[in-house]
Amino acid sequence: ETGVTQSPTHLIKTRGQQVTLRCSSQSGHNTVSWYQQALGQGPQFIFQYYREEENGRGNFPPRFSGLQFPNYSSELNVNALELDDSALYLCASSSRDRNTEAFFGQGTRLTVV
Amino acid sequence: AQTVTQSQPEMSVQEAETVTLSCTYDTSESNYYLFWYKQPPSRQMILVIRQEAYKQQNATENRFSVNFQKAAKSFSLKISDSQLGDTAMYFCAFITNTPLVFGKGTRLSVIA
Repeated sequence: ETGVTQSPTHLIKTRGQQVTLRCSSQSGHNTVSWYQQALGQGPQFIFQYYREEENGRGNFPPRFSGLQFPNYSSELNVNALELDDSALYLCASSSRDRNTEAFFGQGTRLTVV
Repeated sequence: AQTVTQSQPEMSVQEAETVTLSCTYDTSESNYYLFWYKQPPSRQMILVIRQEAYKQQNATENRFSVNFQKAAKSFSLKISDSQLGDTAMYFCAFITNTPLVFGKGTRLSVIA
C-alpha cells in the first residue's frame, strides 16, 4: 500500500458528459501528478500540482483541468468527454522538495460510451 | 525531446530463471533519476528499483538489479530467480526537472 487513494475505481460516462476524479496524496507529500494510461500504453503526463498551483502540463487540451487542495489532495476534471478519453487515470504523489520517487494510486478506469 | 524506449513488448521466462528487460532513454539533462515500475493486473504502479544518474554503482534490490550505462543511455532490469508473482507489465521511466517520462512497457510472463 502506498497511501495514495483514488476514487472511484471504475466509472462509465457518456460522450459529452463531465467527470471528476479524486486523489488523496501520501502523508508528507506536496506534489500530485496525473497520468492517462491508454490500453497497452505507458502513462502519459497530464499535469502536475505543487502547493495548490499547476506546475507543468502535458499535451492535453484545456478541457482537462485540475485542482489541488490545502491538504494536497487533488481532483482531475474532464469536460465534454470523448470516446478517446477512455483510459486508466493514475495519480502520483511525491515530494518535490526532496525529489523522491512518485507513489501511485490504484487508478480510476474511465470508460466513455 | 525526452523519450524512453522499451524494445521488447512481451517476454516470458521460466520460473526460477533469470530475465533481462531492456530500456534506452534520451535526455540532454545530466542529473536525473531512473526507475523501473511494475504494474500487475491490479493496476497499481509499484516501484521496483531506482537509480540516480550521478551514481556509477548499479542499484540492487533483492532479486532485482540494473545495468546502468550512462554514456549509452541504457538502463536494463535483471530479475533473478523469477517468481510467478513477477508476472506483470514493467515500465522504465526517468525524471529530470519534468515529471516522469515512461516507456510503453514490457509484458513479462513467468511460466511455471
